[in-house]
Amino acid sequence: QSALTQPASVSGSPGQSITISCTGTSSDVGSYNLVSWYQQHPGKAPKVMIYEGSKRPSGVSNRFSGSKSGNTASLTISGLQAEDEADYYCCSYAGDITYVFGTGTKVTVL
Amino acid sequence: QVQLQESGPGLVKPSQTLSLTCTVSGGSISSGDYYWSWIRQHPGKGLEWIGYIYYSGNTYYNPSLKSRVTISVDMSENRFSLNLTSVTAADTAVYYCASLVVITGNFEYWGQGTLVTVSS
Repeated sequence: QSALTQPASVSGSPGQSITISCTGTSSDVGSYNLVSWYQQHPGKAPKVMIYEGSKRPSGVSNRFSGSKSGNTASLTISGLQAEDEADYYCCSYAGDITYVFGTGTKVTVL
Repeated sequence: QVQLQESGPGLVKPSQTLSLTCTVSGGSISSGDYYWSWIRQHPGKGLEWIGYIYYSGNTYYNPSLKSRVTISVDMSENRFSLNLTSVTAADTAVYYCASLVVITGNFEYWGQGTLVTVSS
């Protein structure tokens, strides 16, 4: 069970859009629509931003959106704001009642 | 709203057993809506799923940790626990408890996390 692959860092200017990829395999991301995304600020617990690939929990800004194509899931943040600077992790069901997280991406707002 | 709070020793000696408890408030651990989960984060690193337990007592573990992990539930106290045996410095991490939604497969509520250091 290997971690899902994410870019180590992504950056953008305020107001821009950025996309974070999350690449797995046909055994996890590619087989199930159970990808979730988490935002983690320094010293804080993660917070779910997207679940079931593209659904937003109540209270999460509609600037956050998720999608999936094949074995790769993506998180897009539009209208980037300073408060979006954080680490982001994807997570996928991986079969056999197991879950796997991504390697994490540090988002920097320039 | 469900709240979770981890508790346990912050320092464990090598080869000993790491034991943590997560107390759930604002909801019943026997509701059936969640798998009660443990996740850890090594210093400066990413998240690692450890395992989870359903209120029925069924447990599911990360294959890489399965031989050393036991998760149990105490419904009378509305809490669940993690035991990790034969710890080494590589087990030094922030340990989080979290509620995994059964239907949608996302970790909805998280504890604040507790740092456990393995050192003599």
